[in-house]
Amino acid sequence: NAGVTQTPKFRILKIGQSMTLQCTQDMNHNYMYWYRQDPGMGLKLIYYSVGAGITDKGEVPNGYNVSRSTTEDFPLRLELAAPSQTSVYFCASSGQGPYGYTFGSGTRLTVV
Amino acid sequence: AQTVTQSQPEMSVQEAETVTLSCTYDTSESDYYLFWYKQPPSRQMILVIRQEAYKQQNATENRFSVNFQKAAKSFSLKISDSQLGDAAMYFCAYRSAPEGAQKLVFGQGTRLTINP
Repeated sequence: NAGVTQTPKFRILKIGQSMTLQCTQDMNHNYMYWYRQDPGMGLKLIYYSVGAGITDKGEVPNGYNVSRSTTEDFPLRLELAAPSQTSVYFCASSGQGPYGYTFGSGTRLTVV
Repeated sequence: AQTVTQSQPEMSVQEAETVTLSCTYDTSESDYYLFWYKQPPSRQMILVIRQEAYKQQNATENRFSVNFQKAAKSFSLKISDSQLGDAAMYFCAYRSAPEGAQKLVFGQGTRLTINP
């Protein structure tokens, strides 16, 4: 019963490098999300998806891209990493109805 | 846009005592859901309790209960018989009820310390 799986758990990037954060869920949820959590702060929505092939921007989308080719996978792409992107990134999924999210365990990203 | 405010950055309580964490929110919607999440040092986000706005009865989950005041747009979390394992960041979150993207809006969090 994996739930939401995020990889990697930790990563250090140099300024200007790119990387993809992977997210996979096995609950057949239609909705998937990417959030970032800066130190001592709440979570802010980067991008979300309501189903395969459909994505939309959240509150803080600049510097990121996403795709949703399957129900299970929702990778987050960072292009030209900047120190401001140092954060903890959470992927989450949810089904229909009054339920909360199922979260992944997070990725701690440091850009130096 | 909806906003969620947690006015207590930090709280502490003696083990076995009761503590209440505050949360207020701003919305023009009448139908929505509210949540409390716990984030221990492991970083994992754990759902503690949820409340549906159309329900007048306050939600309860074992030692955790809420005081939902819809008119005041207030949603506080009460933890009874506090345990060392309750030490964590607690986040209040809001979600619109109509089916759709179901985006959660989070507050800034309250760090709860349990003193033995």
